[in-house]
Amino acid sequence: AQKVTQAQTEISVVEKEDVTLDCVYETRDTTYYLFWYKQPPSGELVFLIRRNSFDEQNEISGRYSWNFQKSTSSFNFTITASQVVDSAVYFCALSEAIASGGSYIPTFGRGTSLIVHP
Amino acid sequence: ETGVTQTPRHLVMGMTNKKSLKCEQHLGHNAMYWYKQSAKKPLELMFVYNFKEQTENNSVPSRFSPECPNSSHLFLHLHTLQPEDSALYLCASEGTSVVGELFFGEGSRLTVL
Repeated sequence: AQKVTQAQTEISVVEKEDVTLDCVYETRDTTYYLFWYKQPPSGELVFLIRRNSFDEQNEISGRYSWNFQKSTSSFNFTITASQVVDSAVYFCALSEAIASGGSYIPTFGRGTSLIVHP
Repeated sequence: ETGVTQTPRHLVMGMTNKKSLKCEQHLGHNAMYWYKQSAKKPLELMFVYNFKEQTENNSVPSRFSPECPNSSHLFLHLHTLQPEDSALYLCASEGTSVVGELFFGEGSRLTVL
């Protein structure tokens, strides 16, 4: 069974601080996908990134970076120089590489609420 | 614009009412999902439809009845709900260019009195 753990329920930082959101996953599959989504106050989850299990290269996109460590089953997300607009709930998710009924159904973590104070 | 539109955004209903939530996407996606998001709980998968056929039912009580008349529309019919069913109901469609990527609507906030 798949499981995603986001141990940090809520993180509070001051603008311009760096912040790392942790994600630890469990799966028996050797091939899988990992995701991060952002849920702003408006409600809709917005896709940020997908990694597949064979690609451990870290990725940077502007102020966002992701550190995928297969050895520790972690896929952490760092925001550099945080801004108030980064305030949101962030979800880590995992899905198997084989579609179930034609869909790659992700398992979501509980989410981490990030509050960035001015 | 998210590409996935949910109506109504807010709904208040009594336990004996019958109401429906609607989800619409014109992204050309073939799979659509219903999730339930309650306070302090993880996102709960409810139903998945692929090419109008239900492929997942995550042990959802029968007071929730989904309907998918075509790949662009998904409904969730609500009947004799309980106060604990109050939650944000999120619809998503599954993209085809990035495997597993979901496109979410803004959700329908349901309050059951």
